[in-house]
Amino acid sequence: DAGVIQSPRHEVTEMGQEVTLRCKPISGHNSLFWYRQTMMRGLELLIYFNNNVPIDDSGMPEDRFSAKMPNASFSTLKIQPSEPRDSAVYFCASSLGARQGTGGYTFGSGTRLTVV
Amino acid sequence: SQQGEEDPQALSIQEGENATMNCSYKTSINNLQWYRQNSGRGLVHLILIRSNEREKHSGRLRVTLDTSKKSSSLLITASRAADTASYFCATDGSSNTGKLIFGQGTTLQVKP
Repeated sequence: DAGVIQSPRHEVTEMGQEVTLRCKPISGHNSLFWYRQTMMRGLELLIYFNNNVPIDDSGMPEDRFSAKMPNASFSTLKIQPSEPRDSAVYFCASSLGARQGTGGYTFGSGTRLTVV
Repeated sequence: SQQGEEDPQALSIQEGENATMNCSYKTSINNLQWYRQNSGRGLVHLILIRSNEREKHSGRLRVTLDTSKKSSSLLITASRAADTASYFCATDGSSNTGKLIFGQGTTLQVKP
């Protein structure tokens, strides 16, 4: 398995533009998580899905952020309009689900977003 | 708010020495996990310890858990330069949802 795949790896955009981040979880994993990492705040959970259904989006900072999971193999995180304070590394992670046994999350390599 | 708090924030040791990192958390848990993050990369799962376990080993890693003190420690024995990374603890807050909350991390530098 290629692991969790995120694209793009880097994104530089101008303030006000729409940004779409993409994630392909590991096949068979039924939970998917979006995190944001900054020096100031560390790793923040934005939203997570179980079986493609959003369970908790309380970490989504504003209405400018939205996430979808149309099927088990794809999720998007969209920011519209983007602002400089959205600059961060965005990680997607997947796991086998709520009642974990010996495993944990598998993280993607992240998307480094810079909004200028 | 962050569930886990790591201590120290930064640690610098010589190759071959042992490194100990601590994590404290606030609520009851089902399990606690440790992750490593190399610079510019995603987090990698190292080890999971359940709330009814007190100690767990994996290679050069040893994790302890004290639920009465709401704390855990990660010990890396005989450290190597390749162990240089940030280490994070994460807890599920007994939510049974699989949702993990991460601490701020400990940055470990192992000097060759």
